[in-house]
Amino acid sequence: EIVMTQSPATLSVSPGERATLSCRASQSVSSNLAWYQQKPGQAPRLLIYGASTRATAIPARFSGSGSGTEFTLTISSLQSEDFAVYYCQQYNGWPPMYTFGQGTKLEIK
Amino acid sequence: QVQLVQSGAEVKKPGSSVKVSCKASLGTFSTYGVHWVRQAPGQGLEWMGGIIPLFGPANYAQSFQGRVTITADESTSTAYMELSSLRSDDTALYFCARQRPVGAGDGYYFDHWGQGTLVTVSS
Repeated sequence: EIVMTQSPATLSVSPGERATLSCRASQSVSSNLAWYQQKPGQAPRLLIYGASTRATAIPARFSGSGSGTEFTLTISSLQSEDFAVYYCQQYNGWPPMYTFGQGTKLEIK
Repeated sequence: QVQLVQSGAEVKKPGSSVKVSCKASLGTFSTYGVHWVRQAPGQGLEWMGGIIPLFGPANYAQSFQGRVTITADESTSTAYMELSSLRSDDTALYFCARQRPVGAGDGYYFDHWGQGTLVTVSS
């Protein structure tokens, strides 16, 4: 099983600043990596797929990078609505045996 | 607009089973996959398994093998997840999620999610 490790567990950032979230895979997943945002009481929402492609209607301040085993989600100029929990997910192989990272909670500083 | 609508909350006794449904408002599951993800209170997301009807039987995470059954009824665009031998630590929010269609060429991530179904296991 591919293990996904996110860091940090909690990130405190002020509105308007940049946030950088990391995700590491225990083995290469190529670019088969997605990022999701989850707010309390809501289902996750797709932000990024293919490691770097924004999903429909996702603002340009969200960007993803990386390939292989190291990935980054960057949120430039944080807005109040961006404070949430973020999960990375790998979907490598066929059929995919999905695994999620444990999540990074982005909180207001 | 694709919507996945899940069945309502359930309260179950330990040792019993629960079956949760997920109906798609647009399209069918033939080439899409439908997967189930659970979230225990205050915890992260855990993939349980999924099915792509075009490709036959479901695929399950090892930790749920033998206890979960995922099926799909293409005629009603509805997927089901049945979890048996319920324990108190199965108390969680269960989400269905749609996998991108086979052949789309952009990967097999989850592009739409249901609203979640709370399953409470308590004696």
